[in-house]
Amino acid sequence: GAVVSQHPSWVICKSGTSVKIECRSLDFQATTMFWYRQFPKQSLMLMATSNEGSKATYEQGVEKDKFLINHASLTLSTLTVTSAHPEDSSFYICSGVGGHYLNEQFFGPGTRLTVL
Amino acid sequence: SQKIEQNSEALNIQEGKTATLTCNYTNYSPAYLQWYRQDPGRGPVFLLLIRENEKEKRKERLKVTFDTTLKQSLFHITASQPADSATYLCALGNYGQNFVFGPGTRLSVLP
Repeated sequence: GAVVSQHPSWVICKSGTSVKIECRSLDFQATTMFWYRQFPKQSLMLMATSNEGSKATYEQGVEKDKFLINHASLTLSTLTVTSAHPEDSSFYICSGVGGHYLNEQFFGPGTRLTVL
Repeated sequence: SQKIEQNSEALNIQEGKTATLTCNYTNYSPAYLQWYRQDPGRGPVFLLLIRENEKEKRKERLKVTFDTTLKQSLFHITASQPADSATYLCALGNYGQNFVFGPGTRLSVLP
């Protein structure tokens, strides 16, 4: 299967700062990338869908000004959590779809964000 | 609204037995259904996809069934091993639409 990487794998930041998370598709072109958030013992919650070169589509209840998503190329999408607060602490996971893989999402390893 | 349920939050079985996980859904007509495995602190890993016109799919020790009348999918792991211990997620999808994930079942295979 295809490989998706995320960086960093974990990050601790102070309240009020911004954090950028990168998601890269390493061996395929991800025309669409998804960003999920997962709280402990809960399932994945879709935050937004981004298509290369266009604005992201956010799910209801997700603030687009707080969670900035950029999908500048077919292999890179970034999520920036702006002015992070402790309640933003979560596990953030991206996935990509594209190329030969249209009905299968390949997930990154996730980024654990802790806001103090 | 759409609702996906997975049989139980946690399931314990003895090594060598067959594990059966259930995914039920309401208010949705998916074109396909997928099963993923997620280990703690990791992203999900795709296992199997089954389409609405397929009754059963197999891959090594894994078997998935899909009953669109009952709105249910069963996921079986035969000859289970401790290494199969993980959380298993079902996800429903339609072409051109986003996937919807179930809450997951945490499987523990006891040696």
